[in-house]
Amino acid sequence: NAGVTQTPKFRVLKTGQSMTLLCAQDMNHEYMYWYRQDPGMGLRLIHYSVGEGTTAKGEVPDGYNVSRLKKQNFLLGLESAAPSQTSVYFCASTPGYYGYTFGSGTRLTVV
Amino acid sequence: DQQVKQNSPSLSVQEGRISILNCDYTNSMFDYFLWYKKYPAEGPTFLISISSIKDKNEDGRFTVFLNKSAKHLSLHIVPSQPGDSAVYFCAATDGSGTYKYIFGTGTRLKVLA
Repeated sequence: NAGVTQTPKFRVLKTGQSMTLLCAQDMNHEYMYWYRQDPGMGLRLIHYSVGEGTTAKGEVPDGYNVSRLKKQNFLLGLESAAPSQTSVYFCASTPGYYGYTFGSGTRLTVV
Repeated sequence: DQQVKQNSPSLSVQEGRISILNCDYTNSMFDYFLWYKKYPAEGPTFLISISSIKDKNEDGRFTVFLNKSAKHLSLHIVPSQPGDSAVYFCAATDGSGTYKYIFGTGTRLKVLA
């Protein structure tokens, strides 16, 4: 039982490049989330999904897009990376009230 | 506008003593609260939760207290162990059905042997 798997684990991008972060969960959870963690800022919600085919904006959605075409996968896209998007990105899923299962994170550096 | 605040960035405690981590919130609609523990280079892991209908929840060495009138919750770890050294986040959600959590900025706990 893998839980929540994020790929890649590390990535360095040049300003203006695009990339997609993949989150996959094998627990049949309805709800999935993308957070970013920055020093002194805690975890901030970027986008989330309450079920297959749905997405919604969180606290800091600008510069990101998401898709949830399959229940088990939640993709986070950066269309034109900026240095301000240098961060650690965490994906999480939950069946409901009992808290999240987090992935191990993706460390992204934009130069 | 920080709805969930952890005002102590760090805390050091001697092994065997009590660790108390604090969290304040501003949104009276929050009805469920969680504490997460995070080690470096890992994702946060769930530690303990509390519903707004309770004022205390215990799980082994961990106890969470909720004071709704003060909009304050705290995590007590007794006795503290070196393996408890980590960053602790509190998080809160409202009853909207989206289960999206607002996280505090975290408190780094160091348990000294």
